[in-house]
Parts: sequence; structure tokens; C-alpha cells
Amino acid sequence: EIVLTQSPGTLSLSPGERATLSCRASQSVSSSYLAWYQQKPGQAPRLLIYGASSRATGIPDRFSGSGSGTDFTLTISRLEPEDFAVYYCQHSRTFGQGTKVEIK
Amino acid sequence: QVQLQESGPGLVKPSQTLSLTCTVSGGSISSGGYYWSWIRQHPGKGLEWIGYIYYSGSTYYNPSLKSRVTISVDTSKNQFSLKLSSVTAADTAVYYCARLALLLSDAFDIWGQGTMVTVSS
Repeated sequence: EIVLTQSPGTLSLSPGERATLSCRASQSVSSSYLAWYQQKPGQAPRLLIYGASSRATGIPDRFSGSGSGTDFTLTISRLEPEDFAVYYCQHSRTFGQGTKVEIK
Repeated sequence: QVQLQESGPGLVKPSQTLSLTCTVSGGSISSGGYYWSWIRQHPGKGLEWIGYIYYSGSTYYNPSLKSRVTISVDTSKNQFSLKLSSVTAADTAVYYCARLALLLSDAFDIWGQGTMVTVSS
């Protein structure tokens, strides 16, 4: 079973700054089947990125995904106030443990 | 657009069976290309996949829960259901139903709002 490890655990940034989140798989992920989700308190996760780099419907272009094999990255180019949340990566039936993006 | 809504008891006694239903609206559960899923989140923790079902009835379960989990589908009601037997306090969590889209590289593209289930006597 593939294990997904996200880093850092918490990212403290200011609005307008760039956020870079990492997701590392314990073995190569086939066909870039890697997704990213955003979850705010009291809400269900929301799909941001699928196939490692494709934005889901309605997702702003400040969100981008990249990577292949075992190393994947979610980048938020300029943080908006509504972007402060927890982010999860996912492959198949496995989720990473999450990265919290908090206001500095 | 497709929406999912969980329903079921919010309180279950230890050793009993947790039963939840997810109603699909705005689309047919029988349309191919999707697996209908259950995912849970323990308080303050990450996401744990429980299992999923195809409209044909094929099921896949998390090995760690497999002995206690049953997921079924009722296409006539456009619903799918979760049963988790012999629950303990460790099963207290928010339970989500979600749609896994094969065309989106197996991503969960639609989620229900989630329902909190507490296991307590």
C-alpha cells in the first residue's frame, strides 16, 4: 500500500504570499493519479487538482499542481484570505495526513 | 448538478451497527464511470477511505475495516448505504459519502456535507 507523506505539517504565511505544499509517495504513483483537496473547518473536502496538474471545475488559476513519480507539489501563487485551510493529497484509496496553511 | 446527502442516526451504542444512507440527486447513480464511496474523518484528524461500490454492485473495502463493513446500492432509490458492525468509540467520526470519478484520474469530485456519528452508551 502506498503511503503519502505531506510536508510541512503547518505553513504560516501572509495573504499575497506564495504557498508550496509537498506530497511524497512511498512508491511511484502510476499515471499521475494524484489529487489535491482543500478542507475548511466544518466543511467537506473540495477537489482542487486531479491527475497531478489539472484544475477541477471552478478552481481559480492561482492553484496549480505539478510533479510525477513520487514527488508532487501544490502551489498557491498568491494566497487569498479564503485559502487558509487544510490541504490533502490523495492517490487511489489513500490520503496524506494534511498540511494546514495558517495566517502568519 | 449532482449532489450527495448523508442521512442516519447521529448516536450509536457500542457493539451495535452503524447505518448510513447517501442519497444522490441531480444525476443517476447508475451512470457508469463512478464509484460511490464512504470516507470518514475522526475528530481533528485526516481522511480515511472506508470503501466504495459501483452501480453494478461491485464493492471494495479498506482492509482494516473489511470484516465489519458492508456497502450496498439501491439504484431504484438512487441511494447507496454503509453498514459498520460492532462499533466502538474508535468509530466516532464524521462520515462522508463521495463520488470517485474514473475520468478525473480517480479523484473524489463530489462530496456530501458529512454527518457526525458518535458511538456512546
